Amino acid sequence: DTAVSQTPKYLVTQMGNDKSIKCEQNLGHDTMYWYKQDSKKFLKIMFSYNNKELIINETVPNRFSPKSPDKAHLNLHINSLELGDSAVYFCASSHPQDPGRETQYFGPGTRLLVL
Amino acid sequence: SQELEQSPQSLIVQEGKNLTINCTSSKTLYGLYWYKQKYGEGLIFLMMLQKGGEEKSHEKITAKLDEKKQQSSLHITASQPSHAGIYLCGAAGLYNNAGNMLTFGGGTRLMVKP
Repeated sequence: DTAVSQTPKYLVTQMGNDKSIKCEQNLGHDTMYWYKQDSKKFLKIMFSYNNKELIINETVPNRFSPKSPDKAHLNLHINSLELGDSAVYFCASSHPQDPGRETQYFGPGTRLLVL
Repeated sequence: SQELEQSPQSLIVQEGKNLTINCTSSKTLYGLYWYKQKYGEGLIFLMMLQKGGEEKSHEKITAKLDEKKQQSSLHITASQPSHAGIYLCGAAGLYNNAGNMLTFGGGTRLMVKP
């Protein structure tokens, strides 16, 4: 059984388009995250979200917005895609505990290529 | 600036050899996580360290956190081709003091030659 799943696995699109990436977790976790991994494999947090609080990395352009229809889902919407948005996007989830005590479980990633 | 530094950036070892990957933080860590990423795939959780001086092992992989909680090492004994991948250390609490958001190091790319 897949714990954290993402769709699609691959996404190729034109510059200027709007796209969404879906994430679902069946672990019963309260907190979900989006990370971006660039071409140099550097992994950076984008958002942390639970039903109470959204924490945003201030370096993330406001073209990116997380949307959560329910506790098990956190989708990532991207407007007006740019070439620099090409990356692998990872979703993760955790059951919140004290900082440093919780384990995040990652999805398989969505490889986005903007042409 | 990157707050978690990993070294080396890449490593090629002969099968059967031991190796060590280091992760250094500019700040005291709430918790230090080690993940492995197979090429083109997602991240697999390996271990989490919290206490200064803590050491954990899983199969042939041992991770340690120093007493000051600013440096961690990952040691692989008798490496195998299955150990190949990208090893990432992640730290909680570094980003804007938001405890549950992980900051990752740049990764160490490991290749094991048969």
